[in-house]
Amino acid sequence: EPEVTQTPSHQVTQMGQEVILRCVPISNHLYFYWYRQILGQKVEFLVSFYNNEISEKSEIFDDQFSVERPDGSNFTLKIRSTKLEDSAMYFCASSEQGVTEAFFGQGTRLTVV
Amino acid sequence: RKEVEQDPGPFNVPEGATVAFNCTYSNSASQSFFWYRQDCRKEPKLLMSVYSSGNEDGRFTAQLNRASQYISLLIRDSKLSDSATYLCVVNEDSGGGADGLTFGKGTHLIIQP
Repeated sequence: EPEVTQTPSHQVTQMGQEVILRCVPISNHLYFYWYRQILGQKVEFLVSFYNNEISEKSEIFDDQFSVERPDGSNFTLKIRSTKLEDSAMYFCASSEQGVTEAFFGQGTRLTVV
Repeated sequence: RKEVEQDPGPFNVPEGATVAFNCTYSNSASQSFFWYRQDCRKEPKLLMSVYSSGNEDGRFTAQLNRASQYISLLIRDSKLSDSATYLCVVNEDSGGGADGLTFGKGTHLIIQP
């Protein structure tokens, strides 16, 4: 069964450092997403990406965040200067269409120290 | 971005019992509705999509009431493996095609032997 894969599974970084989280969406999917979940809280939408550009972003997705699809398979989330409050589980997801169900990767646990 | 409200629980239910969860959403323009389950520190996994006509998948039945902006999930003959957090999820689709999903905080279900 096709699945969304994410690397690394766990990333520890110092405050102020840049991190890049990587994702390989399901191959025939057209829409890609990043979500985050702070421990004990709900899953929150960050950004959606379609046709090589951002489709929608939440208020969380500020200038410190960027996304990129550098090639035909990878989809990355970059946080330029990490803050302690960026510590969370980051989930990548993809869907065939914009209103259909999304399938999630196993997540990257980001710990900012 | 509007809200999705769920009773956080926990619901403690004996094995074999029937349990029902409810969810309300605030955006009347919401287009798609889903139930996901999330095990501790894992990614959300799609349980089922929810249609206006109601739909059933084995022991699981989902209902949507657009007039009341209310979604339900019924689990019959509950199993120990049903223990998880159940997430009510809505796609608002403001017309851009990739608006991302809005998650409730989840209802925690514990099935007891």
